[in-house]
Amino acid sequence: DVKVTQSSRYLVKRTGEKVFLECVQDMDHENMFWYRQDPGLGLRLIYFSYDVKMKEKGDIPEGYSVSREKKERFSLILESASTNQTSMYLCASSLGSGGANVLTFGAGSRLTVL
Amino acid sequence: SQQGEEDPQALSIQEGENATMNCSYKTSINNLQWYRQNSGRGLVHLILIRSNEREKHSGRLRVTLDTSKKSSSLLITASRAADTASYFCATDVNGNTPLVFGKGTRLSVIA
Repeated sequence: DVKVTQSSRYLVKRTGEKVFLECVQDMDHENMFWYRQDPGLGLRLIYFSYDVKMKEKGDIPEGYSVSREKKERFSLILESASTNQTSMYLCASSLGSGGANVLTFGAGSRLTVL
Repeated sequence: SQQGEEDPQALSIQEGENATMNCSYKTSINNLQWYRQNSGRGLVHLILIRSNEREKHSGRLRVTLDTSKKSSSLLITASRAADTASYFCATDVNGNTPLVFGKGTRLSVIA
């Protein structure tokens, strides 16, 4: 069963901490995405990557960075966590290379920043 | 940037009834997709309809697309309690840019 795996389902961090959210896919997908989901705001795109070592800013990149050193892994980094980054974070991947732009999502990581 | 807008925001029906959700969008699209999200989980892809298609079926799901009105609808027939979830439309503008999601319709199916 193909999967997108997010390393942590629930995290609680303190303001100012550096936070790593890891995402791994086993489908050999080229494209990977990070969204955050907040009540009333839907899904908002933070960063995405169409290739290894490539990254593009989404709609709300401020306060975040990403790393894609290997094709299967896409990490989201909060350099200095703030309370307004408390949210559900969703990683997704898609085939790329002209394939249908259909996303496979991970189960989500719910981050609370105190 | 919000492209799709679902309507209604929330819907509550009895088991066995049909549920209809609508999605409106703003720009031309390559395709439109519907996703489902169970509470506290990730989204799951349900169905994709291309811009040159008008209707598509998958099991109890029926999707229509009206590109002249820039709208789509998702019909779930003979709903079950297990259909309780949030449903999102997502638009693919050209196949090379990320999908843009609406805010979702929360469906409650009461047994």
